[in-house]
Amino acid sequence: GAVVSQHPSWVICKSGTSVKIECRSLDFQATTMFWYRQFPKQSLMLMATSNEGSKATYEQGVEKDKFLINHASLTLSTLTVTSAHPEDSSFYICSARERTGRETQYFGPGTRLLVL
Amino acid sequence: AQKVTQAQTEISVVEKEDVTLDCVYETRDTTYYLFWYKQPPSGELVFLIRRNSFDEQNEISGRYSWNFQKSTSSFNFTITASQVVDSAVYFCALNSGGSNYKLTFGKGTLLTVNP
Repeated sequence: GAVVSQHPSWVICKSGTSVKIECRSLDFQATTMFWYRQFPKQSLMLMATSNEGSKATYEQGVEKDKFLINHASLTLSTLTVTSAHPEDSSFYICSARERTGRETQYFGPGTRLLVL
Repeated sequence: AQKVTQAQTEISVVEKEDVTLDCVYETRDTTYYLFWYKQPPSGELVFLIRRNSFDEQNEISGRYSWNFQKSTSSFNFTITASQVVDSAVYFCALNSGGSNYKLTFGKGTLLTVNP
């Protein structure tokens, strides 16, 4: 149980385009989903916390208009990188916490984004 | 403020050796949760264990064991008889509940198990 999927697993796009990444909890309902960014050989950096049916809460320094988050249902959250630039190239990982209030976050397999 | 310190950046061992990964945490909360995650080269974070602050029992799961000591704010992870497949980055993480249960991660320890 507690499986989280992400799609796509990797994407290459041209500078200036927008990219949407989906995060789904496959076998549980997730009240809260989290979006992280990870640079090579570094730890995970929390970008935002996404609650179903409400606006996402962004961490300090993360541009809300740049990284659009939508958590439309208890099993799906999306991250859209708008007008992507090469510096947005990174590994993006989502996680989900079960609705029952358990403390454990389960992580998706991640999405590697390369902006040319 | 919460903080997790994994002082070991990289560890290299030979297969079948035992290895301990250190984790020291800081929090002012009396109720909190500690985690270990494994990140193999594929990138996906694999949940290994969760420990509550009020449960100091050590835990063993196969070749894995965890030593939680509140007195020293440590939550160390030991792999017994290491295998090449154990090669990965291991992250220790902390959350104190509260709003949304945000995780604070350590910087990770890269474990390389050589044949």
